Amino acid sequence: IAGITQAPTSQILAAGRRMTLRCTQDMRHNAMYWYRQDLGLGLRLIHYSNTAGTTGKGEVPDGYSVSRANTDDFPLTLASAVPSQTSVYFCASSRLGGYNEQFFGPGTRLTVL
Amino acid sequence: AQTVTQSQPEMSVQEAETVTLSCTYDTSENNYYLFWYKQPPSRQMILVIRQEAYKQQNATENRFSVNFQKAAKSFSLKISDSQLGDTAMYFCAFKNSGNTPLVFGKGTRLSVIA
Repeated sequence: IAGITQAPTSQILAAGRRMTLRCTQDMRHNAMYWYRQDLGLGLRLIHYSNTAGTTGKGEVPDGYSVSRANTDDFPLTLASAVPSQTSVYFCASSRLGGYNEQFFGPGTRLTVL
Repeated sequence: AQTVTQSQPEMSVQEAETVTLSCTYDTSENNYYLFWYKQPPSRQMILVIRQEAYKQQNATENRFSVNFQKAAKSFSLKISDSQLGDTAMYFCAFKNSGNTPLVFGKGTRLSVIA
């Protein structure tokens, strides 16, 4: 089934640990995105990539890094997790161009203790 | 930077009635795109409807329609004949004409009551 997969579905992590959230899409979309969703704050952009080999910072990039080695994969890494990074993380992808819909993965619920 | 404001954190509506969710945005661009996404309890983000700013005609998708007022920078969503399955968070989102990501509002939680 075409779409976006994210792993893990949920994770509990000790503060200070390193964590990579995985995202893979099979729609051959050029653009990919990472958002975090927090109650009362909506979805906020962390990082994005318009094509393999390039990345850009979003609204809340501190504490996160990304890489885009190929079209399909866009992992998000927390180098040293902190409790404020407890959130639901969504990966999304789209064709380039303003009218194109962003498709979202099912999300990863991350709890940092 | 563009901002999107949803002034109604929560709303409720009786089944079969009509409800309107508000959204305003701020931009200096002339050409852009607006979207409404739905997030049911399953957490999945689902596109409901979208509008191109250069089109004067309001978009419609079955029971969902928008009232796009470009001068007022307003983009409200009307849901007609509300159904229990419409219970969800609704997010308004803005996108420039270039290759920029969506900017989301904080959402409106809609409850449809039987």
